[in-house]
Amino acid sequence: KNEVEQSPQNLTAQEGEFITINCSYSVGISALHWLQQHPGGGIVSLFMLSSGKKKHGRLIATINIQEKHSSLHITASHPRDSAVYICAVTRATSGSRLTFGEGTQLTVNP
Amino acid sequence: GAGVSQTPSNKVTEKGKYVELRCDPISGHTALYWYRQSLGQGPEFLIYFQGTGAADDSGLPNDRFFAVRPEGSVSTLKIQRTERGDSAVYLCASSLWENQPQHFGDGTRLSIL
Repeated sequence: KNEVEQSPQNLTAQEGEFITINCSYSVGISALHWLQQHPGGGIVSLFMLSSGKKKHGRLIATINIQEKHSSLHITASHPRDSAVYICAVTRATSGSRLTFGEGTQLTVNP
Repeated sequence: GAGVSQTPSNKVTEKGKYVELRCDPISGHTALYWYRQSLGQGPEFLIYFQGTGAADDSGLPNDRFFAVRPEGSVSTLKIQRTERGDSAVYLCASSLWENQPQHFGDGTRLSIL
């Protein structure tokens, strides 16, 4: 069992839909990261959070430490949101290295 | 440029050869990370540096892999006697300090024939 698991693996939505990607982890963490990876490889850090909720534009990330669960929400989705979204954690006992989930491929159709 | 720079962007070489992959972190970032990503999977940790020293090299798969960061800035990942299974995208990231958001380069796509 992976230490970081994401669902769904693949997600197809119509433009304008509200999207949720889920992440569960099984280890103690110091922080959880949401990352975006576009075709061609470039990875961009979207959020780093250790409690509560963060919002940036149409993106919202939440975390429930007790349940070891995080969600990434996209409001009013757009085709340019199509990318792989990756959940990663920094484990409480392993310094600042990231442990990654396998990613969620999001496709938003016009 | 202000971002993390990795060179080369692509490297094709024959099995058994030696390769070096370079990472130029964002200026002033003290922490530098190497990850490896195989097709269709999430990245996997290899090694990270805090300053010039390797703070954690537990992700290096075997002794054919080695990385240095002699002056606390540029880092080089070195792979000896390459094998086909080493083919992957090698990603470098840097952060201002440990436990800060990491900024990724575009990666080096390594193909071993």
